[in-house]
Amino acid sequence: GAGVSQSPSNKVTEKGKDVELRCDPISGHTALYWYRQSLGQGLEFLIYFQGNSAPDKSGLPSDRFSAERTGGSVSTLTIQRTQQEDSAVYLCASSLGVDEQFFGPGTRLTVL
Amino acid sequence: GQNIDQPTEMTATEGAIVQINCTYQTSGFNGLFWYQQHAGEAPTFLSYNVLDGLEEKGRFSSFLSRSKGYSYLLLKELQMKDSASYLCAVRPLNTGGFKTIFGAGTRLFVKA
Repeated sequence: GAGVSQSPSNKVTEKGKDVELRCDPISGHTALYWYRQSLGQGLEFLIYFQGNSAPDKSGLPSDRFSAERTGGSVSTLTIQRTQQEDSAVYLCASSLGVDEQFFGPGTRLTVL
Repeated sequence: GQNIDQPTEMTATEGAIVQINCTYQTSGFNGLFWYQQHAGEAPTFLSYNVLDGLEEKGRFSSFLSRSKGYSYLLLKELQMKDSASYLCAVRPLNTGGFKTIFGAGTRLFVKA
């Protein structure tokens, strides 16, 4: 595709359930990022992947959060045992090197 | 650590010029970015400053002073469509070069 895509666009889940969020980056982009944005707030860095290097997980808020990137392309962000404070928009971005990041439309997660 | 400070909100008149400031405290960084985010949409790239000085791109310009820990985004000939949040972001040194820290953003309201 021409841009970064994310699925699902909306996800409503019950507290305690696990969720998986998917990101398809722009083809050829070596770097992939995950951010979280709460209502009216800025972007909170979660994790990034760059090529074959070990991911930088320093922004993951707890061990309930994990992410993987398979084959250097698609990435999945998994949140286990969701809590209400996990409710936010989760944004994925990709870049070619250290240049500008291209963002996907986001997944709006609501934990009831 | 790194702190990025931006005004929360600004209001300006259509056709005018507005300057959005960003100050940061970090031990060093690879570059400073500005992104635009319309309500309910993903951020889009505006500018990237690595060296001190002014980068001009159409109606938008961005300035950086590393010694002062200061940047600003200048928007000229404001249009109603410029009403959005403007996010300042830095890539700190010693983080692999890809980790990006965003400020909380400045919500700009353009009035007729």
